[in-house]
Amino acid sequence: SQELEQSPQSLIVQEGKNLTINCTSSKTLYGLYWYKQKYGEGLIFLMMLQKGGEEKSHEKITAKLDEKKQQSSLHITASQPSHAGIYLCGADITDSGTYKYIFGTGTRLKVLA
Amino acid sequence: DTGVSQDPRHKITKRGQNVTFRCDPISEHNRLYWYRQTLGQGPEFLTYFQNEAQLEKSRLLSDRFSAERPKGSFSTLEIQRTEQGDSAMYLCASAQTGTYEQYFGPGTRLTVT
Repeated sequence: SQELEQSPQSLIVQEGKNLTINCTSSKTLYGLYWYKQKYGEGLIFLMMLQKGGEEKSHEKITAKLDEKKQQSSLHITASQPSHAGIYLCGADITDSGTYKYIFGTGTRLKVLA
Repeated sequence: DTGVSQDPRHKITKRGQNVTFRCDPISEHNRLYWYRQTLGQGPEFLTYFQNEAQLEKSRLLSDRFSAERPKGSFSTLEIQRTEQGDSAMYLCASAQTGTYEQYFGPGTRLTVT
């Protein structure tokens, strides 16, 4: 089973609409990261959350971490076509004493102009 | 500094051949990571270097895979006797000790025919 579950898998929204992407971990999180990836390219770091209740913003993108639920949400306000891409959450976890850096499967976002 | 670079960007090879990829990290970064990403999936951690020392290696990294970072600068990832299942995007990332942000290269897309 996937250790980091993202939902939804894909999302199509009209320009100007708000949207939320969720990332839930089945393991204890030590750090939760959000990245954006354009098709066929590398990942661009958006932000990192470490503490429960932490919330960070970058332009129109806000991410929160719920430590109790082992979950993070990424919220985009007033979406624009430039927000289109694949959003990936990543996390530092330890599994049987071994450090792992894992990713979710990604959420494909399309913004219609 | 132009960021993390990877070479080649695309590689097509026949099954059974060996391939080698190169990653040049950001110069002051002493951590270097290799990931593999297949279509529709998030990146999967392969291995991690701190300077020239390979500190973590995923179980995904079979005996046909080997990675080196001989001088603690650039790294190479070699795949011997390639199989069709090795077809994927191979991503490299670098980071500075004490920071969490990983900077990703554009990736090397491998196609095994």
